[in-house]
Amino acid sequence: DTGVSQDPRHKITKRGQNVTFRCDPISEHNRLYWYRQTLGQGPEFLTYFQNEAQLEKSRLLSDRFSAERPKGSFSTLEIQRTEQGDSAMYLCASSFPVVETQYFGPGTRLLVL
Amino acid sequence: GQQLNQSPQSMFIQEGEDVSMNCTSSSIFNTWLWYKQDPGEGPVLLIALYKAGELTSNGRLTAQFGITRKDSFLNISASIPSDVGIYFCAGPRGGDTDKLIFGTGTRLQVFP
Repeated sequence: DTGVSQDPRHKITKRGQNVTFRCDPISEHNRLYWYRQTLGQGPEFLTYFQNEAQLEKSRLLSDRFSAERPKGSFSTLEIQRTEQGDSAMYLCASSFPVVETQYFGPGTRLLVL
Repeated sequence: GQQLNQSPQSMFIQEGEDVSMNCTSSSIFNTWLWYKQDPGEGPVLLIALYKAGELTSNGRLTAQFGITRKDSFLNISASIPSDVGIYFCAGPRGGDTDKLIFGTGTRLQVFP
Protein backbone atom coordinates (compact mmCIF):
# COMPACT_ATOMS: atom_id res chain seq x y z
CA ASP A 1 0.00 0.00 0.00
CA THR A 2 1.55 3.28 -1.06
CA GLY A 3 -0.90 5.64 0.65
CA VAL A 4 -0.41 7.75 3.76
CA SER A 5 -0.29 5.63 6.91
CA GLN A 6 -0.78 6.64 10.52
CA ASP A 7 -0.10 4.84 13.76
CA PRO A 8 -1.80 4.15 16.08
CA ARG A 9 -5.32 4.28 14.70
CA HIS A 10 -6.82 4.73 18.15
CA LYS A 11 -5.40 5.97 21.45
CA ILE A 12 -7.09 6.22 24.83
CA THR A 13 -5.14 8.00 27.52
CA LYS A 14 -5.65 9.60 30.88
CA ARG A 15 -5.51 13.34 31.32
CA GLY A 16 -1.97 14.51 31.97
CA GLN A 17 -0.26 11.73 30.03
CA ASN A 18 1.91 12.29 26.97
CA VAL A 19 1.03 10.72 23.62
CA THR A 20 2.89 10.47 20.32
CA PHE A 21 1.47 9.78 16.88
CA ARG A 22 3.35 8.79 13.75
CA CYS A 23 2.65 9.57 10.09
CA ASP A 24 4.31 7.99 7.07
CA PRO A 25 3.56 10.05 3.95
CA ILE A 26 3.51 8.87 0.36
CA SER A 27 7.18 8.34 -0.40
CA GLU A 28 7.62 10.90 -3.20
CA HIS A 29 5.80 13.67 -1.32
CA ASN A 30 7.96 16.28 0.33
CA ARG A 31 5.09 18.25 1.87
CA LEU A 32 3.47 16.92 5.04
CA TYR A 33 0.56 18.39 6.96
CA TRP A 34 -1.13 17.69 10.30
CA TYR A 35 -4.79 18.51 10.83
CA ARG A 36 -7.18 18.06 13.74
CA GLN A 37 -10.83 17.18 13.36
CA THR A 38 -13.46 17.31 16.07
CA LEU A 39 -16.88 15.72 15.85
CA GLY A 40 -19.13 17.31 13.27
CA GLN A 41 -16.44 19.62 11.91
CA GLY A 42 -14.12 19.65 8.96
CA PRO A 43 -10.38 19.16 9.52
CA GLU A 44 -8.43 22.18 10.78
CA PHE A 45 -4.81 22.87 9.91
CA LEU A 46 -2.22 22.38 12.67
CA THR A 47 1.22 22.45 11.09
CA TYR A 48 3.16 21.96 7.85
CA PHE A 49 6.55 20.53 6.88
CA GLN A 50 8.46 20.89 3.66
CA ASN A 51 11.07 18.14 3.81
CA GLU A 52 12.37 18.33 7.39
CA ALA A 53 11.62 22.03 7.90
CA GLN A 54 8.52 22.99 9.90
CA LEU A 55 7.38 26.10 8.05
CA GLU A 56 4.06 26.98 9.64
CA LYS A 57 2.20 26.33 12.87
CA SER A 58 -1.43 27.17 13.56
CA ARG A 59 -2.57 29.05 16.65
CA LEU A 60 -4.36 25.78 17.48
CA LEU A 61 -0.96 24.25 18.19
CA SER A 62 -0.36 25.14 21.83
CA ASP A 63 2.97 24.81 23.61
CA ARG A 64 2.00 21.29 24.65
CA PHE A 65 2.10 20.17 21.01
CA SER A 66 5.30 19.47 19.13
CA ALA A 67 5.84 17.97 15.70
CA GLU A 68 8.97 16.73 14.01
CA ARG A 69 10.01 15.32 10.68
CA PRO A 70 13.67 14.52 11.35
CA LYS A 71 14.76 13.08 8.02
CA GLY A 72 12.11 14.55 5.79
CA SER A 73 10.24 11.26 5.65
CA PHE A 74 7.95 10.21 8.52
CA SER A 75 6.65 12.70 11.04
CA THR A 76 5.64 12.53 14.70
CA LEU A 77 3.15 14.64 16.61
CA GLU A 78 3.51 14.68 20.38
CA ILE A 79 1.01 16.05 22.85
CA GLN A 80 2.29 16.60 26.37
CA ARG A 81 0.10 16.73 29.48
CA THR A 82 -3.02 15.84 27.52
CA GLU A 83 -6.30 17.55 28.32
CA GLN A 84 -9.84 16.37 27.63
CA GLY A 85 -10.13 19.07 24.99
CA ASP A 86 -7.40 17.35 23.01
CA SER A 87 -9.80 14.51 22.20
CA ALA A 88 -10.14 14.54 18.42
CA MET A 89 -9.13 12.81 15.21
CA TYR A 90 -5.57 13.75 14.20
CA LEU A 91 -5.06 13.54 10.46
CA CYS A 92 -1.88 13.57 8.42
CA ALA A 93 -1.75 14.50 4.74
CA SER A 94 0.99 14.74 2.14
CA SER A 95 1.44 16.25 -1.28
CA PHE A 96 3.91 16.84 -4.08
CA PRO A 97 5.65 20.21 -4.22
CA VAL A 98 3.74 22.95 -6.04
CA VAL A 99 0.63 20.76 -6.28
CA GLU A 100 -2.19 21.59 -3.90
CA THR A 101 -3.80 18.14 -3.93
CA GLN A 102 -3.35 16.57 -0.52
CA TYR A 103 -3.82 12.89 0.30
CA PHE A 104 -4.91 11.98 3.79
CA GLY A 105 -4.12 9.07 6.05
CA PRO A 106 -6.75 7.15 8.03
CA GLY A 107 -6.19 9.30 11.12
CA THR A 108 -5.48 8.66 14.78
CA ARG A 109 -8.50 9.00 17.04
CA LEU A 110 -7.49 10.25 20.48
CA LEU A 111 -9.70 10.02 23.54
CA VAL A 112 -8.50 11.70 26.72
CA LEU A 113 -10.30 10.52 29.85
CA GLY B 1 -11.75 33.34 10.11
CA GLN B 2 -12.10 32.11 6.59
CA GLN B 3 -14.94 29.70 5.99
CA LEU B 4 -16.32 27.57 3.23
CA ASN B 5 -20.07 27.12 3.46
CA GLN B 6 -21.58 23.92 2.16
CA SER B 7 -25.20 23.22 1.46
CA PRO B 8 -27.23 21.35 2.16
CA GLN B 9 -25.99 20.39 5.61
CA SER B 10 -27.53 16.94 5.24
CA MET B 11 -29.45 14.94 2.66
CA PHE B 12 -31.63 11.87 2.95
CA ILE B 13 -32.29 10.30 -0.42
CA GLN B 14 -33.42 7.05 -1.94
CA GLU B 15 -31.05 4.75 -3.77
CA GLY B 16 -30.94 5.62 -7.47
CA GLU B 17 -31.60 9.33 -7.01
CA ASP B 18 -29.20 12.04 -8.13
CA VAL B 19 -27.55 14.32 -5.58
CA SER B 20 -26.33 17.90 -5.84
CA MET B 21 -24.36 19.86 -3.27
CA ASN B 22 -22.39 23.07 -3.37
CA CYS B 23 -19.69 25.00 -1.63
CA THR B 24 -19.31 28.78 -1.48
CA SER B 25 -16.63 31.11 -0.23
CA SER B 26 -16.20 34.83 0.30
CA SER B 27 -12.69 34.53 -1.14
CA ILE B 28 -11.30 33.33 -4.42
CA PHE B 29 -9.72 29.90 -4.63
CA ASN B 30 -7.39 28.68 -7.38
CA THR B 31 -8.09 25.02 -6.66
CA TRP B 32 -11.14 23.22 -5.37
CA LEU B 33 -10.96 19.75 -3.88
CA TRP B 34 -13.82 17.41 -2.98
CA TYR B 35 -13.32 14.72 -0.33
CA LYS B 36 -15.53 11.96 1.09
CA GLN B 37 -15.13 10.82 4.65
CA ASP B 38 -16.51 7.64 6.17
CA PRO B 39 -16.96 7.37 9.95
CA GLY B 40 -13.65 6.83 11.72
CA GLU B 41 -11.60 7.25 8.55
CA GLY B 42 -9.61 10.01 6.91
CA PRO B 43 -10.96 12.05 3.99
CA VAL B 44 -10.57 10.41 0.59
CA LEU B 45 -9.96 12.64 -2.42
CA LEU B 46 -12.73 12.38 -5.00
CA ILE B 47 -12.09 15.16 -7.50
CA ALA B 48 -9.61 18.01 -7.89
CA LEU B 49 -10.44 21.14 -9.94
CA TYR B 50 -7.72 23.53 -11.07
CA LYS B 51 -9.31 26.00 -13.48
CA ALA B 52 -12.36 28.28 -13.32
CA GLY B 53 -15.22 26.77 -15.30
CA GLU B 54 -13.64 23.32 -15.30
CA LEU B 55 -16.04 20.37 -15.26
CA THR B 56 -14.50 17.07 -14.16
CA SER B 57 -16.00 13.60 -13.77
CA ASN B 58 -14.95 10.59 -11.76
CA GLY B 59 -17.36 7.74 -12.46
CA ARG B 60 -20.79 8.80 -11.19
CA LEU B 61 -19.35 11.96 -9.68
CA THR B 62 -19.14 15.27 -11.50
CA ALA B 63 -17.73 18.48 -10.06
CA GLN B 64 -17.49 22.00 -11.40
CA PHE B 65 -15.22 24.91 -10.57
CA GLY B 66 -17.40 28.03 -10.52
CA ILE B 67 -16.62 30.85 -12.93
CA THR B 68 -16.30 33.38 -10.11
CA ARG B 69 -13.76 31.04 -8.41
CA LYS B 70 -15.81 31.48 -5.23
CA ASP B 71 -17.89 28.34 -5.54
CA SER B 72 -17.91 24.72 -6.60
CA PHE B 73 -20.54 22.05 -7.14
CA LEU B 74 -20.56 18.28 -6.75
CA ASN B 75 -23.14 16.00 -8.33
CA ILE B 76 -23.59 12.29 -7.74
CA SER B 77 -25.73 10.40 -10.20
CA ALA B 78 -27.70 7.22 -9.49
CA SER B 79 -26.74 7.08 -5.81
CA ILE B 80 -25.94 3.75 -4.17
CA PRO B 81 -25.72 2.79 -0.48
CA SER B 82 -21.92 3.07 -0.40
CA ASP B 83 -22.23 6.79 -1.25
CA VAL B 84 -23.21 7.32 2.40
CA GLY B 85 -20.76 9.57 4.19
CA ILE B 86 -19.76 13.19 4.69
CA TYR B 87 -18.66 15.18 1.68
CA PHE B 88 -16.25 18.06 2.22
CA CYS B 89 -15.10 20.73 -0.16
CA ALA B 90 -11.67 22.20 0.48
CA GLY B 91 -9.41 24.82 -0.99
CA PRO B 92 -5.73 25.61 -0.44
CA ARG B 93 -5.16 28.92 1.25
CA GLY B 94 -2.10 29.65 -0.88
CA GLY B 95 1.14 31.28 0.20
CA ASP B 96 3.98 28.98 1.10
CA THR B 97 1.99 26.22 2.71
CA ASP B 98 -1.20 25.66 0.70
CA LYS B 99 -2.86 24.51 3.90
CA LEU B 100 -6.41 23.41 3.20
CA ILE B 101 -9.50 25.22 4.40
CA PHE B 102 -12.41 22.79 4.67
CA GLY B 103 -16.10 23.34 4.25
CA THR B 104 -18.71 22.57 6.85
CA GLY B 105 -19.59 19.25 5.20
CA THR B 106 -22.68 17.67 3.66
CA ARG B 107 -23.85 14.47 5.30
CA LEU B 108 -25.42 12.07 2.80
CA GLN B 109 -27.69 9.22 3.79
CA VAL B 110 -28.95 6.81 1.12
CA PHE B 111 -31.92 4.57 1.78
CA PRO B 112 -32.44 1.34 -0.22
